[in-house]
Amino acid sequence: DQQVKQNSPSLSVQEGRISILNCDYTNSMFDYFLWYKKYPAEGPTFLISISSIKDKNEDGRFTVFLNKSAKHLSLHIVPSQPGDSAVYFCAASKSGSQGNLIFGKGTKLSVKP
Amino acid sequence: GAGVSQSPSNKVTEKGKDVELRCDPISGHTALYWYRQSLGQGLEFLIYFQGNSAPDKSGLPSDRFSAERTGGSVSTLTIQRTQQEDSAVYLCASSLRTGSNYGYTFGSGTRLTVV
Repeated sequence: DQQVKQNSPSLSVQEGRISILNCDYTNSMFDYFLWYKKYPAEGPTFLISISSIKDKNEDGRFTVFLNKSAKHLSLHIVPSQPGDSAVYFCAASKSGSQGNLIFGKGTKLSVKP
Repeated sequence: GAGVSQSPSNKVTEKGKDVELRCDPISGHTALYWYRQSLGQGLEFLIYFQGNSAPDKSGLPSDRFSAERTGGSVSTLTIQRTQQEDSAVYLCASSLRTGSNYGYTFGSGTRLTVV
């Protein structure tokens, strides 16, 4: 039973356009969400996070939006660059928990020049 | 070290053999996590350590899997009597403290292939 779902396995976007990656979760106890980016043969790297007390967090070209009522979050990349091509994982947890992050299956983003 | 180091980077083993995967976390990071990523799947949690103790082993798939951490630093994940379904990339991460608000730093992983 997947608690964190990324329903689009892949996404292709033109350079300069907006990339929107989506993530849904089922556990209403989750209140902290993170996005990780992974290049081939490398480990995932932390990109951006958001706490449930916010509905938006922005860092440069990356913005994460959280809709708690819909149990949905999205990552926006504007403008998209070819170097953004990677697999993006959404992760969730209960803030302050001693435990682990629950990851989605990832979305492979391809940004075409 | 500067980052999380995992060894070996690749391991091919015969079905039924035991394997040991090593993780060297960032110096000073008290929390250490093991995940694995099977083909086409997300990152599956296996176990985490706070210091040398493992409060949550719930993700270990079977009793063939075990892990230990000594000196609050290096961790070893051991898989006994490997099976083909154990083939995956095994990722280790560390963080300053437990609790997800502290970002995880991942290693590059060990790609395990059981033939």
